[in-house]
Amino acid sequence: AQSVTQLGSHVSVSEGALVLLRCNYSSSVPPYLFWYVQYPNQGLQLLLKYTTGATLVKGINGFEAEFKKSETSFHLTKPSAHMSDAAEYFCAVSVDGGSQGNLIFGKGTKLSVKP
Amino acid sequence: EPEVTQTPSHQVTQMGQEVILRCVPISNHLYFYWYRQILGQKVEFLVSFYNNEISEKSEIFDDQFSVERPDGSNFTLKIRSTKLEDSAMYFCASQGSYNSPLHFGNGTRLTVT
Repeated sequence: AQSVTQLGSHVSVSEGALVLLRCNYSSSVPPYLFWYVQYPNQGLQLLLKYTTGATLVKGINGFEAEFKKSETSFHLTKPSAHMSDAAEYFCAVSVDGGSQGNLIFGKGTKLSVKP
Repeated sequence: EPEVTQTPSHQVTQMGQEVILRCVPISNHLYFYWYRQILGQKVEFLVSFYNNEISEKSEIFDDQFSVERPDGSNFTLKIRSTKLEDSAMYFCASQGSYNSPLHFGNGTRLTVT
């Protein structure tokens, strides 16, 4: 069965510092992996996804993530944090590997950015 | 950019009452979903809907829950007899095709007292 673990429920960085949000997954099929962001009082917005092909995927707002099969990881990074990046970030894996609809989410990591 | 809209943004109801949460998916989308997030917990899949029928549902989606697409635009989630533990944020999502990403609404916060 598929599962997602996000290490750290809360991460705090200074503006301009590297952002690293960790995600490990378990999947019995080749995984489709996603990062979603949720700003206060808003829905989930897709940041980036990995389905097949290039293992380093780039998303919106300067974020990227690398699929590492050997480590079962899909960590999210951004070289330089901006105040507007403060939000909650969710890693997710598709249930059946072929659809992008039925997803299993991690518990989320709240990112704070200090001036 | 087209978006998924959900109403109301906040619903308060008494235990045992029926509630209907409403969603207007993106107009040319074909697949529809409900997810929920209990405060402090994971976002959880409830149900998916395609071609006017449920395609998948989770263990959470028991007989108290039902979904409907009564016309060409709305997609509703009904909880027949609410329980305290149904208090959560409910997200509607739609998808243009099976292999395209989900577009989520802003959610309806349901509080059962």
